[in-house]
Amino acid sequence: DAKTTQPPSMDCAEGRAANLPCNHSTISGNEYVYWYRQIHSQGPQYIIHGLKNNETNEMASLIITEDRKSSTLILPHATLRDTAVYYCIVRVGGHSNDYKLSFGAGTTVTVRA
Amino acid sequence: EAGVTQSPTHLIKTRGHHATLRCSPISGHTSVYWYQQALGLGLQFLLWYDEGEERNRGNFPPRFSGRQFPNYSSELNVNALELEDSALYLCASSLQGYSNQPQHFGDGTRLSIL
Repeated sequence: DAKTTQPPSMDCAEGRAANLPCNHSTISGNEYVYWYRQIHSQGPQYIIHGLKNNETNEMASLIITEDRKSSTLILPHATLRDTAVYYCIVRVGGHSNDYKLSFGAGTTVTVRA
Repeated sequence: EAGVTQSPTHLIKTRGHHATLRCSPISGHTSVYWYQQALGLGLQFLLWYDEGEERNRGNFPPRFSGRQFPNYSSELNVNALELEDSALYLCASSLQGYSNQPQHFGDGTRLSIL
């Protein structure tokens, strides 16, 4: 799986949009971008995933650049409950025995009132 | 819809003994994954089961094993427990393993070895 690079931490004001960047310059054509977050003492929570088109769901939006070498997770209106470690993961989506998720250090997002 | 459920929430064992952790996937999910999250470390992949078969395992010794039952639930067994096995063990499930379907996690079993 391709390696991802995320900033170690970022702050965000409550009610503002939070834009979380992720670099995955070695991504392959059949690899998807997944975003998870983990709040202390809980299991990781799935947020969103995509291949090359931008995606939106009730939690967030995912913007993937045209060359697929980077992406941005957008939390449109951050709340205090969005404080968590956010992980950007690249994983193969086709037929493979390698479906494990490889979690890096992630970005610690702190939403401040 | 119920999420992934794991039991027990906490487990305290003595070094050298055996531990069994259990996982019930989301209804309709056939793949189950196990991960270990030691304090201060990232999630490390342990095992993947799909349709009752072990499909892949991470870089862990053979004393870590598991199985998946016909109802797709799973258990993780850890033999000859060592102090460094103390960690949060997370189970995840997904619709059909060979796809881009995301994995959904439970809240884990915290295993403490004394």
